[in-house]
Amino acid sequence: EAEVAQSPRYKITEKSQAVAFWCDPISGHATLYWYRQILGQGPELLVQFQDESVVDDSQLPKDRFSAERLKGVDSTLKIQPAELGDSAMYLCASSSSTRQGDTQYFGPGTRLTVL
Amino acid sequence: SQQGEEDPQALSIQEGENATMNCSYKTSINNLQWYRQNSGRGLVHLILIRSNEREKHSGRLRVTLDTSKKSSSLLITASRAADTASYFCALDTGRRALTFGSGTRLQVQP
Repeated sequence: EAEVAQSPRYKITEKSQAVAFWCDPISGHATLYWYRQILGQGPELLVQFQDESVVDDSQLPKDRFSAERLKGVDSTLKIQPAELGDSAMYLCASSSSTRQGDTQYFGPGTRLTVL
Repeated sequence: SQQGEEDPQALSIQEGENATMNCSYKTSINNLQWYRQNSGRGLVHLILIRSNEREKHSGRLRVTLDTSKKSSSLLITASRAADTASYFCALDTGRRALTFGSGTRLQVQP
């Protein structure tokens, strides 16, 4: 069964360092999402891609976060510099539908700890 | 707020019992979805119910939707220890991507 791949699974970094997360969606899925999930809360959307284009990045802290999906397949989310408050689970999801509200398939996530 | 609110926040039951969790919301929706998240893992889609549907079943899951009360419930029958997880409702408002609530943490005691 096809799955969304993410790496690394865990990342520990010191504040002010740069970190990067990678996501490979299910093959053929045009829509890709990055979420941040703070412990005990639900996922919050950071950025949504349709193919290589950004559809929604209204909640992405653009002073330190960046995301790209250059060829419309895999994607990278970067934080530079990392802050203590960035400690969270970063989840990637993909959907075969171009409609925003359809079913999403999630990867296992990257647990980030900023010291 | 465009996100749902789950109730209760936490639920502990014995294996074999039924578990019911609720989701209330304030905006109009196209559909409502339920997801499960095992500890430290990604979310898994369970079921989607459209705004013109009132009830839907999938295996041991039963979901109801009352758009007049803006609420949904997820019933897990004959629960198992493997059902221990957090359960989230997600709203499709048609305006942006799904918005998730804070979840119900279910503990099923063997």
